[in-house]
Amino acid sequence: GAGVSQSPRYKVAKRGQDVALRCDPISGHVSLFWYQQALGQGPEFLTYFQNEAQLDKSGLPSDRFFAERPEGSVSTLKIQRTQQEDSAVYLCASSLYEDQPQHFGDGTRLSIL
Amino acid sequence: AQSVSQHNHHVILSEAASLELGCNYSYGGTVNLFWYVQYPGQHLQLLLKYFSGDPLVKGIKGFEAEFIKSKFSFNLRKPSVQWSDTAEYFCAVNAASGGGADGLTFGKGTHLIIQP
Repeated sequence: GAGVSQSPRYKVAKRGQDVALRCDPISGHVSLFWYQQALGQGPEFLTYFQNEAQLDKSGLPSDRFFAERPEGSVSTLKIQRTQQEDSAVYLCASSLYEDQPQHFGDGTRLSIL
Repeated sequence: AQSVSQHNHHVILSEAASLELGCNYSYGGTVNLFWYVQYPGQHLQLLLKYFSGDPLVKGIKGFEAEFIKSKFSFNLRKPSVQWSDTAEYFCAVNAASGGGADGLTFGKGTHLIIQP
């Protein structure tokens, strides 16, 4: 069956540019999570949505990071004025309900030059 | 805040050897525990999970893990590894709750290489 889909798979941007990363969760999944994974590290939590409501954004590293899920399905993670330290793999995960295991997408590998 | 420590960053074993990957967590409350695996070129996949009940949990592909609450540990085991088990393994934890969800806190991962 269809899993979590992320696009693009790879994104290269110049420092200072804005980027937008897309996540299509598994159909019907209520919960959606974004994580950032730096090279050689485990994923780190960024933010969480329940349907369209952003219930936790405590992991967003700065106000340059913004996430939305306006209709409770597709989500977009936007990074403004990108910096080199934003280079990482950005992972999206969804789960059917709260406290259910999360299913991960393939991630978007972001490189900031 | 939670934290997860995985003891070994790189492990190399021969086929048919037994495997144990260590995982310890730090958190003052009740937790859910997970092991995820990432095969080369693939996304993170759930190996097994512990929410409550029997502390010995069995997952896919012959893996199992034991939750020892007194040691804050959730070690992953497999009695006989195969070459296809070569992958990155992540231990993760989140706060168990009656409502609402909590993002996962991951360890740094263990890169497992199985030599034929």
